[in-house]
Amino acid sequence: GQQVMQIPQYQHVQEGEDFTTYCNSSTTLSNIQWYKQRPGGHPVFLIQLVKSGEVKKQKRLTFQFGEAKKNSSLHITATQTTDVGTYFCAGISGGYQKVTFGIGTKLQVIP
Amino acid sequence: NAGVTQTPKFRILKIGQSMTLQCAQDMNHNYMYWYRQDPGMGLKLIYYSVGAGITDKGEVPNGYNVSRSTTEDFPLRLELAAPSQTSVYFCASSYAGASTDTQYFGPGTRLTVL
Repeated sequence: GQQVMQIPQYQHVQEGEDFTTYCNSSTTLSNIQWYKQRPGGHPVFLIQLVKSGEVKKQKRLTFQFGEAKKNSSLHITATQTTDVGTYFCAGISGGYQKVTFGIGTKLQVIP
Repeated sequence: NAGVTQTPKFRILKIGQSMTLQCAQDMNHNYMYWYRQDPGMGLKLIYYSVGAGITDKGEVPNGYNVSRSTTEDFPLRLELAAPSQTSVYFCASSYAGASTDTQYFGPGTRLTVL
């Protein structure tokens, strides 16, 4: 079955440093979504990428979808304490409604 | 607009007991999903529904059952609870389906089976 691997599993950064999490799928994806989950909270949708090579920005967050549509990344510039949480990628294949989540990257920001 | 609501928030079950986790959405979404999240892990899809009367298995359906008699409600039934079902359960919904649309998650139910 489809597997979605995400690295790193944990990341501690000083406030103001950059942060990147990577997502790799064993199969070609039709699209990929990114979610953020605050400690004790529920996943909240951040963005969806559909096109090969797509790059989208949300303020300090930059999302990329690989040319082969098998990998993706989320980059945060100049982290803030409000960025703390776990970031999940979720890969979707074909026309199915089945979403495969990565294990998530837990980000800690040290003030 | 309450979004996706789940009850209860917390529950402790004994091995072999049964319970139903409730999920409701008021956004008129066609698609609804049940996920479980084990500590330090990602979410795994248990069951999903593309509309009233239609359900299908996800990645980890064993030990669970669902029904979808209305658009709004998508309860998850646990029969004969086992310690391996200790987890946080999230219900989610979307209008056009996960392959094209945002999923909105409920606050979750934390279940412990002892």
